[in-house]
Amino acid sequence: KAGVTQTPRYLIKTRGQQVTLSCSPISGHRSVSWYQQTPGQGLQFLFEYFSETQRNKGNFPGRFSGRQFSNSRSEMNVSTLELGDSALYLCASSLSGVHNSPLHFGNGTRLTVT
Amino acid sequence: KQEVTQIPAALSVPEGENLVLNCSFTDSAIYNLQWFRQDPGKGLTSLLLIQSSQREQTSGRLNASLDKSSGRSTLYIAASQPGDSATYLCAVRPGTQGGSEKLVFGKGTKLTVNP
Repeated sequence: KAGVTQTPRYLIKTRGQQVTLSCSPISGHRSVSWYQQTPGQGLQFLFEYFSETQRNKGNFPGRFSGRQFSNSRSEMNVSTLELGDSALYLCASSLSGVHNSPLHFGNGTRLTVT
Repeated sequence: KQEVTQIPAALSVPEGENLVLNCSFTDSAIYNLQWFRQDPGKGLTSLLLIQSSQREQTSGRLNASLDKSSGRSTLYIAASQPGDSATYLCAVRPGTQGGSEKLVFGKGTKLTVNP
């Protein structure tokens, strides 16, 4: 079974630009979550989607948005990029509806903002 | 607000040593606790998941325990190997967020096993 796939693996953008990251969950998984990882803050929750609906949202500005498609694939978008948005963005999927199903993570997208 | 702390931040041991990594959390209302491993530049690999009703879980050389009432978990690694070198992350799923599967992470323990 294929794991969680994130594309692209690396991105370099300039301040003020926008970026879209993509995540394909494990087949059959309906819940997708996004996390930002930085050396200073560690892993911070961005948002979570289930059946195309946002189920939970972290404390990030409105420049960060996401969506989920009917096939459970998800995208996140960051507009008006800032230097502080440089981070590893990780996507995770799970068999939602089961309280104790583990989260499975992709290898992430490394975003560098210059 | 749930907070997760991992001590120590870094640990260096000789090959073959048994070791314990510690994790503490502030709110005992959790659904489960997961231990992950992260290699440099990679995503997270799930190692063990302990349900709130369980006391421990084992997988190979790894054993994780959970004391929910005191807000503590430990990850025991037996007979460590250089391939165990990685950052180990502890995360809890709060029990106060409805159906959300959001995890709250500690900042990790960076383990180095020297040959």
